[in-house]
Amino acid sequence: DQQVKQNSPSLSVQEGRISILNCDYTNSMFDYFLWYKKYPAEGPTFLISISSIKDKNEDGRFTVFLNKSAKHLSLHIVPSQPGDSAVYFCAVTQEGGGADGLTFGKGTHLIIQP
Amino acid sequence: DTEVTQTPKHLVMGMTNKKSLKCEQHMGHRAMYWYKQKAKKPPELMFVYSYEKLSINESVPSRFSPECPNSSLLNLHLHALQPEDSALYLCASSQVEFGVANYGYTFGSGTRLTVV
Repeated sequence: DQQVKQNSPSLSVQEGRISILNCDYTNSMFDYFLWYKKYPAEGPTFLISISSIKDKNEDGRFTVFLNKSAKHLSLHIVPSQPGDSAVYFCAVTQEGGGADGLTFGKGTHLIIQP
Repeated sequence: DTEVTQTPKHLVMGMTNKKSLKCEQHMGHRAMYWYKQKAKKPPELMFVYSYEKLSINESVPSRFSPECPNSSLLNLHLHALQPEDSALYLCASSQVEFGVANYGYTFGSGTRLTVV
């Protein structure tokens, strides 16, 4: 059973508009939530993260929202740019469990259209 | 230095070969990881080293043998691999214990392995 779900395999957004990527998780013990961006044949690049004591974290064009009661997080990218086209993975882990490794969702392929 | 460096970037090996993948970081991270990623799939955890000791082995076949010679280096020794082992192998590092102000993983760019 998947502990982390990204239910949209792909998402197409027009350049300049907002991209919203969603992620749901099942285990309320997860404490840290990370978003990674990945281009083909490259390693994941860390984008932004949030801990369970917060509900929002912002870094430039990227904002992550966490709704603990719904076990849901989302990544907002605004404005979307062509270079944002990539696969985005949501990943989770537990407090003190950094060395447990990350659990990844299956990813959402974001396509920014000019 | 905020990078995880993996070598080689590409590797083609026969099923009878022995080869090694290398990973290095100088961020003072004491947890290091090997992940395997097949095309269009998320990375899957293989091994975790915590303070240079193997702490997690996700039921990986013995033809993959990890080694952590010191706190900056992580190796993955490969022997008698199968074509289905062809994948992108990713190394990552992090602090062992996550704290509110300090969490996150750094990934290397990966080694693209092809077994022929």
